[in-house]
Order: sequence, then C-alpha cells, then structure tokens
Amino acid sequence: KQEVTQIPAALSVPEGENLVLNCSFTDSAIYNLQWFRQDPGKGLTSLLLIQSSQREQTSGRLNASLDKSSGRSTLYIAASQPGDSATYLCAQGRRNSGYALNFGKGTSLLVTP
Amino acid sequence: DAGVIQSPRHEVTEMGQEVTLRCKPISGHDYLFWYRQTMMRGLELLIYFNNNVPIDDSGMPEDRFSAKMPNASFSTLKIQPSEPRDSAVYFCASSPDEPDTGELFFGEGSRLTVL
Repeated sequence: KQEVTQIPAALSVPEGENLVLNCSFTDSAIYNLQWFRQDPGKGLTSLLLIQSSQREQTSGRLNASLDKSSGRSTLYIAASQPGDSATYLCAQGRRNSGYALNFGKGTSLLVTP
Repeated sequence: DAGVIQSPRHEVTEMGQEVTLRCKPISGHDYLFWYRQTMMRGLELLIYFNNNVPIDDSGMPEDRFSAKMPNASFSTLKIQPSEPRDSAVYFCASSPDEPDTGELFFGEGSRLTVL
C-alpha cells in the first residue's frame, strides 16, 4: 500500500505563531491532495484541495502547497489561534481509484492562548 | 443541504451481534465511501460506490462486513457477527462526479463499541 506520512504527529504552539504541517506521499500517480480538519468526536472538514496540475491553494490564513516531484505537501497556518486546535489530516487521491483517498494519520495541533 | 447524514452516532453492542450503520449522502453526489478510523491504523477505505454500484471493496476486512447501496440516497454497512476488534469510528463520505474537484464530504461518523 502506498504510504502517506505526516510529521510531526503532535505540535503545540503559542497563539499568534505561524506554523507548517508536513505531508509526504510515496505514490507518484497523484490525482489530488486534500487537507482536512478533524475536531474531537467530529467528522472531517475539507480545508483545501490541490489538483495535481496545481502547486498551491489558499483559503484565508491557510495555504497548502504541493510538490509532486518530491512527494510532499505542506499546510501553512498564519497567525495561529486557539480555535485552530484540531487534528489536521492530509489525504492523497490516486488515479484509477475514483475519488478514494489514502490518508495520513494526522498532526494533532494545540494552540495555546 | 444537510450534508452527509449517518446513524446511529453511537452504538454499543455485544460480541456476536449484528450491527447496521446507515448513511444518507448529499443529494446529487454520485460517489459514496465508507471509511473506518482507529487510533492504530488511522482512516482506512472500506468500500466505495459509484452510481449505487460497488466499485472497490478490497478494503473490507473480511466476510463479516457487507455494504449495500439500494438507491442514490441510502447506504448501509453491516457487520455480522461483530467482534471487539471492529470497535472504531465508521465514516461515510460522498463526492460529486466532477473530475475537476473530487472533494470529499464526510458525515460525523458512527462510533461503534463491541464488548
């Protein structure tokens, strides 16, 4: 099975810091790369989706980049807030797999006031 | 739209019992997915449907698991008989048939505990 790896597994930062979450994937046949947010006891909320033909996507304080050649994606969160505390998962969509996603195990983020 | 709706939200049952989880996808979405989430293994795809037809069930762990989609607005995931190792959160997700997006929309999950 192709792997999706997220580093670090957990991260704690003070409010206001800019931070970067990392995601790496081994399958070069990437269709898209999605970043999700999961709050405790809740489902997943899609944050950003980057198509394989794109290099980055932005939404508010979030920016996600995709480098297919190196098999990496990063999620940049600017001016972090306590409300950003959640688990962030990246997921790779693969060609010839419909829209089925291969997920990393996530980075648990805590933003302290 | 109300989003993807799953029921029950929580289920506690005893080993050997039959469990049925239900999902209503977003109207107009042609793809439906069942995922399972555990601490050890993270999110795993179990099965997905396109236009009510099962496309890939290679993630279904064993014959005790079965999934159906009798129409475009309803799907079930059944476990019979259930075992303690089936304890997990089961998510249903749907996606529109739009190759340019491929965005997934998740339900809030069904948390299953098998004693």
